[in-house]
Amino acid sequence: DLVMTQSPLSLSVTLGQPASISCRSSQSLVYSDGNTYLHWFQQRPGQSPRRLIYKVSNRDSGVPDRFSGSGSGTDFTLKISRVEAEDVGVYYCMQHTHWPWTFGQGTKVEIK
Amino acid sequence: QVQLVESGGGLVMPGGSLRISCVTSEFTFSDHSMSWIRQAPGKGLEWVSHISSGGDITLYADSVKGRFTISRDNAKNSLYLQMNSLRGEDTAVYYCARDNIVVAGFWGQGTLVTVSS
Repeated sequence: DLVMTQSPLSLSVTLGQPASISCRSSQSLVYSDGNTYLHWFQQRPGQSPRRLIYKVSNRDSGVPDRFSGSGSGTDFTLKISRVEAEDVGVYYCMQHTHWPWTFGQGTKVEIK
Repeated sequence: QVQLVESGGGLVMPGGSLRISCVTSEFTFSDHSMSWIRQAPGKGLEWVSHISSGGDITLYADSVKGRFTISRDNAKNSLYLQMNSLRGEDTAVYYCARDNIVVAGFWGQGTLVTVSS
């Protein structure tokens, strides 16, 4: 199966400071239709996951613009420009280019 | 507002069976593909199964293939997961998710399945 590797696995950030999470895949995530099906999810404590970013860089409705996604091929990044208290939680990258669709291990973001 | 409400979870013995459901509302169910995704206690996310909008295409993770069956009833706006030959490692919160442009755009609150004697 395709492996998604996130780093770091844990991140402690000062309020108002930026944060960055890396996600690397063991194969290219470019599908035959030219799209790259790499998405990012946020799971706040005690809540269901919520999709933030789809197809690398597209923000879902209602997602603050301090969240951004970038990357290509096998290397992707989620950035939070200025971390707020409500951003605490676990962030997962996920690919659905190749079945079985797979998630990264998750990156836990906490406030310093 | 899209609503996805899972139910049917509970305690089941190893080797037993359980069917969980996801009742949906506030959107045209038959227009959307759906998935089941699970999360073992304190662990990450694992895609379990996916079904196309018409129900003609189904996909399963290797860990559940041959034991779990995904289905849908578009007349009842409902998604199902029949789970047979359950094992301890199937213990998890099971989420249903709807596509929105691409997969997993909306999630339910989850239902807990515990496999234990």
